Amino acid sequence: ELKVEQNPLFLSMQEGKNYTIYCNYSTTSDRLYWYRQDPGKSLESLFVLLSNGAVKQEGRLMASLDTKARLSTLHITAAVHDLSATYFCAVDLSHSRSGGSQGNLIFGKGTKLSVKP
Amino acid sequence: KAGVTQTPRYLIKTRGQQVTLSCSPISGHRSVSWYQQTPGQGLQFLFEYFSETQRNKGNFPGRFSGRQFSNSRSEMNVSTLELGDSALYLCASGLTMRETQYFGPGTRLLVL
Repeated sequence: ELKVEQNPLFLSMQEGKNYTIYCNYSTTSDRLYWYRQDPGKSLESLFVLLSNGAVKQEGRLMASLDTKARLSTLHITAAVHDLSATYFCAVDLSHSRSGGSQGNLIFGKGTKLSVKP
Repeated sequence: KAGVTQTPRYLIKTRGQQVTLSCSPISGHRSVSWYQQTPGQGLQFLFEYFSETQRNKGNFPGRFSGRQFSNSRSEMNVSTLELGDSALYLCASGLTMRETQYFGPGTRLLVL
């Protein structure tokens, strides 16, 4: 079974600090998404990483993709309370016909981030 | 442009009943996927539709079914509800199956 592993699953950090969330996956893919979910809300698309070496930045968040290592990172710079949420990575298999019963988007379990003032 | 809409937003049912959830994709989007989200299992894939055809189906029992209409709107049905079906059901749409999927607000189902 195809697996997507995020770590850490829980992250408590102070405002102003930096940290990185890791997303490892077990199959070939050249497309990966990061989503944000606030409590009781839906998933908001943050980044789409389309190729090896892709780097995207938006505000205090920066995402990167290394398809050879099957690794994506979401780096948080100078965290603020408003970033508190759960972050999911999702590996896109639609280009490799490997979706099958798992679908085309395979999600990690999510990283629950809490930023304390 | 309006986002993905899902109705109803909240639903309370009892065991044994059936339920139908609706999803209207973003205008122009032809791909619709459904996911079940629970605290224990996380996000699990249910179905994917494109051009009124089911393209993929997740590992859920036959009680879970769905369809897509010619206007790309989709419905999913769960029959003989069980307590474990309590979850947030999310619908996502994309231009095609290979484009970014945008999620709707979800339908929160509680089975008593």
